[in-house]
Amino acid sequence: LAKTTQPISMDSYEGQEVNITCSHNNIATNDYITWYQQFPSQGPRFIIQGYKTKVTNEVASLFIPADRKSSTLSLPRVSLSDTAVYYCLVGDKPLSGSARQLTFGSGTQLTVLP
Amino acid sequence: SQTIHQWPATLVQPVGSPLSLECTVEGTSNPNLYWYRQAAGRGLQLLFYSVGIGQISSEVPQNLSASRPQDRQFILSSKKLLLSDSGFYLCAWGEQGFRAFFGQGTRLTVV
Repeated sequence: LAKTTQPISMDSYEGQEVNITCSHNNIATNDYITWYQQFPSQGPRFIIQGYKTKVTNEVASLFIPADRKSSTLSLPRVSLSDTAVYYCLVGDKPLSGSARQLTFGSGTQLTVLP
Repeated sequence: SQTIHQWPATLVQPVGSPLSLECTVEGTSNPNLYWYRQAAGRGLQLLFYSVGIGQISSEVPQNLSASRPQDRQFILSSKKLLLSDSGFYLCAWGEQGFRAFFGQGTRLTVV
């Protein structure tokens, strides 16, 4: 599994765009990049997944450069309720009959200030 | 749609007592299942994962064990709890790919 590195914490203000970058220098050809959000005393929640270039959904955008050694989760116009820990995971789709180990790193604590 | 149930939500157990946490999944068949532990203020530690009935893989040596008696049931157990077993335990199931769905978690306090 590719190791990931994220900032430990970030602060932002309501209404701003927040970009959280994850480094994964050893990403393999078949690896996907997936981001999760976790609120206190809750399980992580899937946000977005991508393989290359840009992916956008109703919650966030994911930017992946051509070398795929990093990725950036972009949250548009954050609110106080976006305060959470954000995890970046890198790995490939499991083979038939095998399990994805889903190993989480330390994540990034995002604090949105009023 | 798929749902995952995990209980109990909170548990206080004395040192040396046994533990049994249960997780069940609905709306999917043959899911990949996972148990995680999260210590206060820390990240998620993968404890066990399973690809099918009776198939358990352990990530770290510990005082815990897991079993999968049915396709959509995953159980975390301990014969004798330690203080260090306190934490937030999460069950999850994963789709083919890298998308996982988590239960609401069990807050275990060993006293």
